[in-house]
Amino acid sequence: DAGITQSPRHKVTETGTPVTLRCHQTENHRYMYWYRQDPGHGLRLIHYSYGVKDTDKGEVSDGYSVSRSKTEDFLLTLESATSSQTSVYFCAISEGQNSNQPQHFGDGTRLSIL
Amino acid sequence: AQSVTQLGSHVSVSEGALVLLRCNYSSSVPPYLFWYVQYPNQGLQLLLKYTTGATLVKGINGFEAEFKKSETSFHLTKPSAHMSDAAEYFCAVRSSGYSTLTFGKGTMLLVSP
Repeated sequence: DAGITQSPRHKVTETGTPVTLRCHQTENHRYMYWYRQDPGHGLRLIHYSYGVKDTDKGEVSDGYSVSRSKTEDFLLTLESATSSQTSVYFCAISEGQNSNQPQHFGDGTRLSIL
Repeated sequence: AQSVTQLGSHVSVSEGALVLLRCNYSSSVPPYLFWYVQYPNQGLQLLLKYTTGATLVKGINGFEAEFKKSETSFHLTKPSAHMSDAAEYFCAVRSSGYSTLTFGKGTMLLVSP
C-alpha cells in the first residue's frame, strides 16, 4: 500500500471554527490531492499540488485553502467551518501525470460540523 | 472538458452471476480511464487502468474492462461474483493534457448469496 497517512481520522467540530486536516506521504511523490466524498456526488477535487508551494484549485475549492511547505505534507484548512463541509475527505498522491502513474488514496478523514 | 457517467447507483447480483458495471466518458482528446473500488470505511483502491494499446484490460480480483472508443464506454465486468466483491466502484477519466481525474458518482455493488 502507498504510504499515505491522514490525520485526524475522525473529527467533530462546531460551525465557525477553523479546521486543518493533514496528509502525510512517505513515497516522495510530486503530486498530492484533496477530495471530498459525499453521497450521490462521488469524489470531487478540492485542491491539488504539483510541488512544494505549487497548488491549484479544483472543482469545489470555495471555503478551503491548502499549503504544501514540504514534499511529504499537504494541509487542507477550513478557515471557518460550515455544516455544508461535513464530509469524508480523502488525500491522494501520484508520482506524475503519465498514464502509468495513477493516484493512490489514503483512508480518509470523516469530518462532522455541527 | 472531461466527464464520466456511471449508469445505476446500485447494482444487485447473486453470487456466481456475471457482474457488469457501466461507465461512459466524455473527452475531446484521447482519455486515460480507471476503475477504483472502495470497501467500507476505506480509501479507493485501483482495480485497473486503460492507457493505450490493448483495449481489453485485466485488473485485480478477476475484473476486466474493455475500452470502446466508438461507444465512449469503459464497462467493468467479472464473470462470477463473489460475496467479497460487494463494494462501491468508481470510474474515472483523465484526458491527455489534463492534470486531474474526474470521477463518476459511483455504483454500489450488492452481492446476495
